[in-house]
Amino acid sequence: DAGVIQSPRHEVTEMGQEVTLRCKPISGHNSLFWYRQTMMRGLELLIYFNNNVPIDDSGMPEDRFSAKMPNASFSTLKIQPSEPRDSAVYFCASTPGQYTDTQYFGPGTRLTVL
Amino acid sequence: AQSVTQLGSHVSVSEGALVLLRCNYSSSVPPYLFWYVQYPNQGLQLLLKYTTGATLVKGINGFEAEFKKSETSFHLTKPSAHMSDAAEYFCAYHTGGFKTIFGAGTRLFVKA
Repeated sequence: DAGVIQSPRHEVTEMGQEVTLRCKPISGHNSLFWYRQTMMRGLELLIYFNNNVPIDDSGMPEDRFSAKMPNASFSTLKIQPSEPRDSAVYFCASTPGQYTDTQYFGPGTRLTVL
Repeated sequence: AQSVTQLGSHVSVSEGALVLLRCNYSSSVPPYLFWYVQYPNQGLQLLLKYTTGATLVKGINGFEAEFKKSETSFHLTKPSAHMSDAAEYFCAYHTGGFKTIFGAGTRLFVKA
């Protein structure tokens, strides 16, 4: 199994630009999580999907952030417009089921907003 | 509120020395407990987990952790540190819902 795949691995953009991060979960997993990691705030849960449906987006910082999961094998996290404070590493993780245990993380996307 | 506390944001040990990373949780219901490890420029990966049964859990790379309900702790240990153990370690738990609560992380340094 290829594991959770994220793209791009690195993204450098200018303030005000739209940024789209992509995630392909492990096949057969039906829960998907987006996290943000920074030195100051640690690992933050942004949004959680179960069976492609957003269950809890209370961690999404503000309306500039949006996430979609059009099918079981693909999810996007979009920031529009981006700001320098959005600079962070964004992780996608998937799990086999809603009440499961282990989360399988992707390698992350390092976002730098200038 | 449910939370996880990792004592010490940085821990430094000598190669061959005991590794002890501390984790305490706050939960009113029995938790599922985890330790994850993050190597530089990588995502988190599972080191070990406790769900039910034996309270001493063995994981990968020689690590183990013991669930102590009376102390609400789940400390991570390894008898002999190796240079390759240098990484950041996260304690985490969930109580059956969807959300996993992660600690702030402890960065382990291993000195030659």
